[in-house]
Amino acid sequence: EVQLVESGGGLVQPGGSLRLSCAASGFTFSSYWMSWVRQAPGKGLEWVANIKQDGSEKYYVDSVKGRFTISRDNAKNSLYLQMNSLRAEDTAVYYCAREGSGYWCDYWGQGTLVTVSS
Amino acid sequence: QSVLTQPPSVSGAPGQRVTISCTGSSSNIGAGYDVHWYQQLPGTAPKLLIYGNSNRPSGVPDRFSGSKSGTSASLAISGLQAEDEADYYCQSYDSSLSVWVFGGGTKLTVL
Repeated sequence: EVQLVESGGGLVQPGGSLRLSCAASGFTFSSYWMSWVRQAPGKGLEWVANIKQDGSEKYYVDSVKGRFTISRDNAKNSLYLQMNSLRAEDTAVYYCAREGSGYWCDYWGQGTLVTVSS
Repeated sequence: QSVLTQPPSVSGAPGQRVTISCTGSSSNIGAGYDVHWYQQLPGTAPKLLIYGNSNRPSGVPDRFSGSKSGTSASLAISGLQAEDEADYYCQSYDSSLSVWVFGGGTKLTVL
C-alpha cells in the first residue's frame, strides 16, 4: 500500500525557516517524480514544486523561487521541502504527492500545516 | 484568480447527474495538455478521480467520467450519492507559466 506521511509543519514567524519531510513507503520511491502541493485555509490547491527521480531536475512556482528548495534522499525514501524567508501568504497545508506518468498526482499524503504568523 | 476556471458550486439531488466544467486557454488545455480531476472530501487530502482526461484509477466508480474538448474539460457524476458531496478540482499544465495549474475548485452539494 502506497503511503506518504508528511511532518515538520508548525508555527513560524515571518522571515523564519521550516523543513518539511515526507516519508514514502509501499512503492519504489526512486522511480517516481514527487511534488509538493499546498492549500491555504479555505482556499484551493496550488502546486509548489516537483523533483525528478534522481533529483537532477527541480521546478518551482514563481512565488517560492529562491526561497524554497525541494530535495530527496532515495536511500531514505524521503522527500523534503526547505522553506526559508517565510511569509504570511505561505500559510497552508502542505501535501506531498507522488506523480503519475503524465503531470498528475496519483497518491497524496495527509498534509502538514504550516502557519506563518507573529 | 485561477488559470483554470470552475464554477464555485453545483448541486443535485440523489440519483441525478451533474457536470462540472473546467475552462482553460491555448497555453494549457487548448495546447493539448491533459486534464486531471481530484475529489477532496471534507477535512481530507485530495484523491485522484480522473487522469488523462477520461481515465479512472482502479477503485473509482464508473459513475465518474471525464471529457475534454478544445480549451475546456468536464467532469460528470451520474447517480449522485450523498458521499459524493465534496470539493472537486481540475488540473493541467500551463506551458506559458511552466507550472502545474489547478482550477479554483467546485463544491458539490447533494440536496
